[in-house]
Amino acid sequence: EAQVTQNPRYLITVTGKKLTVTCSQNMNHEYMSWYRQDPGLGLRQIYYSMNVEVTDKGDVPEGYKVSRKEKRNFPLILESPSPNQTSLYFCASSFLDAETGGLKLFFGSGTQLSVL
Amino acid sequence: GDSVTQMEGPVTLSEEAFLTINCTYTATGYPSLFWYVQYPGEGLQLLLKATKADDKGSNKGFEATYRKETTSFHLEKGSVQVSDSAVYFCALSDQRGGSYIPTFGRGTSLIVHP
Repeated sequence: EAQVTQNPRYLITVTGKKLTVTCSQNMNHEYMSWYRQDPGLGLRQIYYSMNVEVTDKGDVPEGYKVSRKEKRNFPLILESPSPNQTSLYFCASSFLDAETGGLKLFFGSGTQLSVL
Repeated sequence: GDSVTQMEGPVTLSEEAFLTINCTYTATGYPSLFWYVQYPGEGLQLLLKATKADDKGSNKGFEATYRKETTSFHLEKGSVQVSDSAVYFCALSDQRGGSYIPTFGRGTSLIVHP
């Protein structure tokens, strides 16, 4: 079954304690990205990757890191989490449609992060 | 830069009512347009898409037409069901300097009562 798998589903941590949220896709997609969803703000992109070893900042990258060492995995790293990073996080992947510029995104089920 | 504006919710309807959720966009290029749906406790799923002007995307009874002249992509359904209760996101995807960065609207919550 084609899917994007995120772990963990729920995470409670304390300020300053490094954490990693994993994301894996089994569709051989070139494009992967991370979003955060906050009430009233919708979905905002944190980082994206257009292929292995290629990553770039989205609209809200501060306080986050990513890596793309393999095509299927795209972990999100919070080196020193702060309470304002409490949010619902989604990983997504897609093929790149060079002709239309379109991305048909497949989303994971989300990770609810609380930073105390 | 690119932007997507959706009508604010929640939209509350009775079962079998007609649904319209408005979406307008601004983009410098020729974007592809999408509607995604998020059911409670789940990630977003692609509902429908259109890649060029006058294209109509459709799925599960939902439709939206890419209107370049009005820069709109309104979502419609003739008869909603309780199971359609969800949050709907309008989005566009465009190349910006060789990068593909989707832009999402803030989402519109739909509540359908029996």
